[in-house]
Amino acid sequence: AQSVTQLGSHVSVSEGALVLLRCNYSSSVPPYLFWYVQYPNQGLQLLLKYTSAATLVKGINGFEAEFKKSETSFHLTKPSAHMSDAAEYFCAVTSEDDKIIFGKGTRLHILP
Amino acid sequence: AAGVIQSPRHLIKEKRETATLKCYPIPRHDTVYWYQQGPGQDPQFLISFYEKMQSDKGSIPDRFSAQQFSDYHSELNMSSLELGDSALYFCASSPSFSTQYFGPGTRLLVL
Repeated sequence: AQSVTQLGSHVSVSEGALVLLRCNYSSSVPPYLFWYVQYPNQGLQLLLKYTSAATLVKGINGFEAEFKKSETSFHLTKPSAHMSDAAEYFCAVTSEDDKIIFGKGTRLHILP
Repeated sequence: AAGVIQSPRHLIKEKRETATLKCYPIPRHDTVYWYQQGPGQDPQFLISFYEKMQSDKGSIPDRFSAQQFSDYHSELNMSSLELGDSALYFCASSPSFSTQYFGPGTRLLVL
């Protein structure tokens, strides 16, 4: 069965600093992996997705994630945090029957 | 670009009442998914439809039912509402089990 673990329910970084949100997955089949962002009082927006093409995936708003099979990881990074990046971030994996399984989410706080 | 549309965006009901949430998928998307996100929780899969047929069922209570219509829109019907049903309900659509795109959600408050 597929599952996703996000390390850290809250992460705080200073504006301009590196953002690193950690995600590890478990999957019995080659996974499709996603990062979604949820801004306050809004819906889920797709940031980026890995579908077995390039292991380094670039998404919107300067975010990227690297699929590392040996580490079963799909960590999300951004070189320089912006105040507008403050949101909840969900790592997700597609199950064998194509529904999305979400991690518990990581709330990103940006410090001025 | 067209996105997933959900209506209503906000809904307030009392216990034991009935609610109907609607989802209009992105044009040419034939698959619809429903998720429930409780306060401070991650979204949980409820049910999905492909080509108007139920394709999978998750943690959906027996009090809830859903269907997909000939124009591919979907409705989630919730009866005998309980306080614990208060949540954000997301609909997502995809073209044949590909990447899911989410709607803005319907926030349901049960008093």
